[in-house]
Amino acid sequence: ELKVEQNPLFLSMQEGKNYTIYCNYSTTSDRLYWYRQDPGKSLESLFVLLSNGAVKQEGRLMASLDTKARLSTLHITAAVHDLSATYFCAGWGAQKLVFGQGTRLTINP
Amino acid sequence: GAGVSQTPSNKVTEKGKYVELRCDPISGHTALYWYRQSLGQGPEFLIYFQGTGAADDSGLPNDRFFAVRPEGSVSTLKIQRTERGDSAVYLCASSLGAGAYNEQFFGPGTRLTVL
Repeated sequence: ELKVEQNPLFLSMQEGKNYTIYCNYSTTSDRLYWYRQDPGKSLESLFVLLSNGAVKQEGRLMASLDTKARLSTLHITAAVHDLSATYFCAGWGAQKLVFGQGTRLTINP
Repeated sequence: GAGVSQTPSNKVTEKGKYVELRCDPISGHTALYWYRQSLGQGPEFLIYFQGTGAADDSGLPNDRFFAVRPEGSVSTLKIQRTERGDSAVYLCASSLGAGAYNEQFFGPGTRLTVL
């Protein structure tokens, strides 16, 4: 059974700093997803990572996947306030998405 | 076109009551998923439909929960004899087909509060 764990669960950063969110998963996953969720809102798809070594970037966010280590990372570069949200990673196991607990990111001016 | 819609957006009910939550998927999407998101947690899978049939209902927590999709489009999640522990946001997602290669699009969710 696929299990997905994220760390840290809470992250408070200053604007302009860099940081990384880690996502570990327990068994093989066909692909790895990253979502953003703003308070009271639904999930917004950020990235889908398909294969080992995949790297995708959008603005200040960059996601990567290491299938051998069963690890994905979401790197934030020069954080800005509007990136404050909860970020979830999810794997695909047994015909369904399995989500991590989420990382609540707060970016302070 | 329109995205996934869910109604109501908020539902407050009393313990022991029956509730129905509705999901309208994106037109043409054959797969439909229900998830439950408790406060401070990630979404947890409940059930998914491929067409009209429930292909996997392994995430339904007990027999008080039931879902239907009679015409292969709109789905209703039904909860009988609600308990306070059922309070959560119920999310619906749809995709063109089932499987990892079809992106799921999420609705805004229904926030259920059981008093």
